[in-house]
Order: sequence, then structure tokens, then C-alpha cells
Amino acid sequence: GAVVSQHPSWVICKSGTSVKIECRSLDFQATTMFWYRQFPKQSLMLMATSNEGSKATYEQGVEKDKFLINHASLTLSTLTVTSAHPEDSSFYICSASDPGSSYNEQFFGPGTRLTVL
Amino acid sequence: AQRVTQPEKLLSVFKGAPVELKCNYSYSGSPELFWYVQYSRQRLQLLLRHISRESIKGFTADLNKGETSFHLKKPFAQEEDSAMYYCALRGHNQGGKLIFGQGTELSVKP
Repeated sequence: GAVVSQHPSWVICKSGTSVKIECRSLDFQATTMFWYRQFPKQSLMLMATSNEGSKATYEQGVEKDKFLINHASLTLSTLTVTSAHPEDSSFYICSASDPGSSYNEQFFGPGTRLTVL
Repeated sequence: AQRVTQPEKLLSVFKGAPVELKCNYSYSGSPELFWYVQYSRQRLQLLLRHISRESIKGFTADLNKGETSFHLKKPFAQEEDSAMYYCALRGHNQGGKLIFGQGTELSVKP
């Protein structure tokens, strides 16, 4: 199947700093990528839908200015957590839709563990 | 409102026992339903989709529109089935986004 990578796999930062997480589709072009947040042994909460070349669509309750999403190419989307605080500590997962797959399947990245001190 | 409900947070069975992970959904229309699995320290991966009507790793799931359910079943659980299982719904004309249930942790004991 298709492969989605995320970088970094984990990051620790100080409160008030910004952190950028990258999501790449390695062997396919993804016009749509998705960003999720996951708490331990809990569900994935969709944060936003990222479309190449246009503004991201954020879910209700997700701050656009806090979680900046850029989808500048068909293989890369970035999530920047601005002015991070301890409550932003979480596991962030991206996924990418492969339009060439059966049923426009979503493939998931391995996730990025963010810890804000 | 669109919603996916997995009532069991944890399901613990012995090896060889039957397993049923419950999933109910709320959606006005005919959604696509999926089961995803997340093994320990691994990424989320697709297990089943209702359209395919397939059996993967011995698991099956039938969409019951009358009961709005998509329960996941396996007749004989194996230890390697221990994982987090997520039921997910994809609506139409919504940009392809998935709505996930809360997840059920399946623990298969020897």
C-alpha cells in the first residue's frame, strides 16, 4: 500500500515556542491530507482537512491561528503549532487520500508525539 | 448529527473465543463504514470496509442499515489480534473526511 511519513516522530519544546510537523506522501500524490489529534487510548479527533493549493478547512473548535496548516505541494502538508502550551501536548497524526487507490483510501502516518514543557 | 459509537472501551477474551466489537452510527443517508486497527506502537491501518464485503485476518463486518450498526466479528480470537480497533464513517460530499468512534481495546489472553 501507499506510504505516508511524518517528521519528526517526537518533539519536546518549551512553552511559547512554535513547532512544525511535516506529513509526506512518499509514493503517491495526495490532493487531500488530514490532520488528527489523538489522546492515549482515545479516538482520533479530526482537526482539519488540508487541500493542496487552497486554505485548510478546520473542524469546529479548532483554532486556525494556533494550528497553521500549509499544503504547498501534492506530497507535503505541514502543521505548525504556534505558541505551544502544555495542553497542546498530544499525538498528532496525518493521513493522505490516494486518489489512485480503491475507494480513495486514506493512508495514515506514524504520528508525532509533541510534548510541551 | 454524524456520530460513531463504540460502546465498549475494553474487550477482554481468551484465545479461541469468539469476538464481537460493536459499532453503531448516526448518519442521514448511506455512509461508507470502515474498521481500522492500531497495533501497539504501529500506525493506524485499514482492516475492513463495508463496500468490499471481505474477510481480513478472519474478521468480518456486516452493515445493518436497519440497526445502523457495523459490528466487527471473528469466530476464534488469536493473541495477535490484541490491538485498538476503531470504527469509522465517511459521508458523501464531505471532502473524504473520516469520523471515528472512540475505539475499543481488544485484549486476547492466552
